[in-house]
Amino acid sequence: GNSVTQMEGPVTLSEEAFLTINCTYTATGYPSLFWYVQYPGEGLQLLLKATKADDKGSNKGFEATYRKETTSFHLEKGSVQVSDSAVYFCALPSGGTSYGKLTFGQGTILTVHP
Amino acid sequence: GAGVSQSPSNKVTEKGKDVELRCDPISGHTALYWYRQSLGQGLEFLIYFQGNSAPDKSGLPSDRFSAERTGGSVSTLTIQRTQQEDSAVYLCASSLIRTLGSIPTDTQYFGPGTRLTVL
Repeated sequence: GNSVTQMEGPVTLSEEAFLTINCTYTATGYPSLFWYVQYPGEGLQLLLKATKADDKGSNKGFEATYRKETTSFHLEKGSVQVSDSAVYFCALPSGGTSYGKLTFGQGTILTVHP
Repeated sequence: GAGVSQSPSNKVTEKGKDVELRCDPISGHTALYWYRQSLGQGLEFLIYFQGNSAPDKSGLPSDRFSAERTGGSVSTLTIQRTQQEDSAVYLCASSLIRTLGSIPTDTQYFGPGTRLTVL
């Protein structure tokens, strides 16, 4: 089935620093790719998604591009804020389908200091 | 509109007791998923509903776990004879499966979760 490997953390940055969290995937076909974020004490929120190769998902200053040639979906933000401190999960549908149950990376804890 | 809601938000129970966890999906979403989040295992899929049927129960860890969905809406996850290893946050998500071009796809929206603690 499909799988995802996510950059291990934790990641600690100063405010306004550049952020990259790496995510690579193995998949049959071209499933949608997702980044979810979990703020302290809260549930998972969809951060962004991309549905096909070369698509760029973006939200709240975060971006990720669906790269078929490198099987990657790295998350980037040009200038992080303290409020971005959270756990970030890369995900894709498992089981060789383009939809349905998700398989998640192990999560990357991001801490941003003022 | 309202998002996915789950109840209770926290549940503390004694080992051996049964618990029921409830999920109210986003109105109109036909697909519903249960996941479990624990420190040691990360995020794990449990079961998937399409309408009231469950075509994929492959993630249920034992026969103590069961789930049902009625009216294509509310779902209940039941854990019988709870064990300490069942302690986790149980997350529910819902989605509407759409077709982009010829490819079906969906985006899952998660509820806040139920934190289960088994003493």
